[in-house]
Amino acid sequence: DTEVTQTPKHLVMGMTNKKSLKCEQHMGHRAMYWYKQKAKKPPELMFVYSYEKLSINESVPSRFSPECPNSSLLNLHLHALQPEDSALYLCASSQEATAGGNNEQFFGPGTRLTVL
Amino acid sequence: DQQVKQNSPSLSVQEGRISILNCDYTNSMFDYFLWYKKYPAEGPTFLISISSIKDKNEDGRFTVFLNKSAKHLSLHIVPSQPGDSAVYFCAARGYNFNKFYFGSGTKLNVKP
Repeated sequence: DTEVTQTPKHLVMGMTNKKSLKCEQHMGHRAMYWYKQKAKKPPELMFVYSYEKLSINESVPSRFSPECPNSSLLNLHLHALQPEDSALYLCASSQEATAGGNNEQFFGPGTRLTVL
Repeated sequence: DQQVKQNSPSLSVQEGRISILNCDYTNSMFDYFLWYKKYPAEGPTFLISISSIKDKNEDGRFTVFLNKSAKHLSLHIVPSQPGDSAVYFCAARGYNFNKFYFGSGTKLNVKP
């Protein structure tokens, strides 16, 4: 199984709502990532989990709260978002990297988020 | 400031001909480079990679070339097929092995 799944595919939420994005992989990968992608822009790294511990937070506002309940699951909790947070949110996973080793990422299809 | 740049937003090629997609980077510490392909409404899909200790890696119709002195890599697709039409992102791995820097993408259109 080389698939990363994400739910939901589409999400529309108001600025006062609380919602969660979910990501799952069963490839035994120990690194999991959240990216944000705006139209015609590259994916922008938000968070990285390594062995279920947060290893990178790219100064993301606290209205985005990641969670890694176990090695297969990654969540992104959303609260009090702004319209400018509307974007495609991509989850990815990879083997844990070592110097000189290959750790290409496997991406999910993304969640298209619209904040009204 | 973007550390990985793809200066051509789009490229159009005739079926059967060669497609050459280019990517430039600024950080000499990058040690691993990747190309991803993205279709609309899907996540990026890994295509091919190259370590900084090599200058060429080939996989079927896809070849990636790395010129470290110029801080430049390119992806060659030969022969190009209509199904190759997609957005192609190059990416580079930084000092933190879990951090990747992406270019802004090149949209390839292969005409039948």
